[in-house]
Amino acid sequence: AQSVTQPDIHITVSEGASLELRCNYSYGATPYLFWYVQSPGQGLQLLLKYFSGDTLVQGIKGFEAEFKRSQSSFNLRKPSVHWSDAAEYFCAVGSLNYGGSQGNLIFGKGTKLSVKP
Amino acid sequence: GAVVSQHPSWVICKSGTSVKIECRSLDFQATTMFWYRQFPKQSLMLMATSNEGSKATYEQGVEKDKFLINHASLTLSTLTVTSAHPEDSSFYICSAMISSYNEQFFGPGTRLTVL
Repeated sequence: AQSVTQPDIHITVSEGASLELRCNYSYGATPYLFWYVQSPGQGLQLLLKYFSGDTLVQGIKGFEAEFKRSQSSFNLRKPSVHWSDAAEYFCAVGSLNYGGSQGNLIFGKGTKLSVKP
Repeated sequence: GAVVSQHPSWVICKSGTSVKIECRSLDFQATTMFWYRQFPKQSLMLMATSNEGSKATYEQGVEKDKFLINHASLTLSTLTVTSAHPEDSSFYICSAMISSYNEQFFGPGTRLTVL
């Protein structure tokens, strides 16, 4: 079955500390991986995506993620967290040709990030 | 670029009434639009996929007669929750996609509360 697992429901880090949010996936085809951020009451903003090529991808707001096929993981990282990073983070997996067919973006349950001053 | 809007941003209605939510792609033409539902502290669950000018494709378990989707143009899709009940209260998010660009652009969401 296709699924995305975010093992950490809630993480608290101190401002300035490093961050890693975990994401594991189970997907039958070649996965295309995404990280989104959602502020309270808001829609989703794309942080970064991986389709192919370099397995370390850079995103907006200083985030990066590394695709590790052997571990079926796509963990999100940031070297120094800012208070404004407090939000909900969703990992998602999809297929390349989902345009025009079933919208099979599968989301994890999310990780809530809190930032301590 | 690639901005998607939703209207209204929140709505409160009485049980038994119908509510329409609009999703617009403001600066691009969306060949496909998606409707998601998000329960509190839960992930997004895809409800349906709609392509302009054709009937929406609903996910298993989603009642197509209750959640009416109309994709009238390349920039507008509407979701109508018919005969709403309190269990329909949720956060509804749409997204829009250009077929040549493999990314969904999400709207800000609509908070529906049914009393």
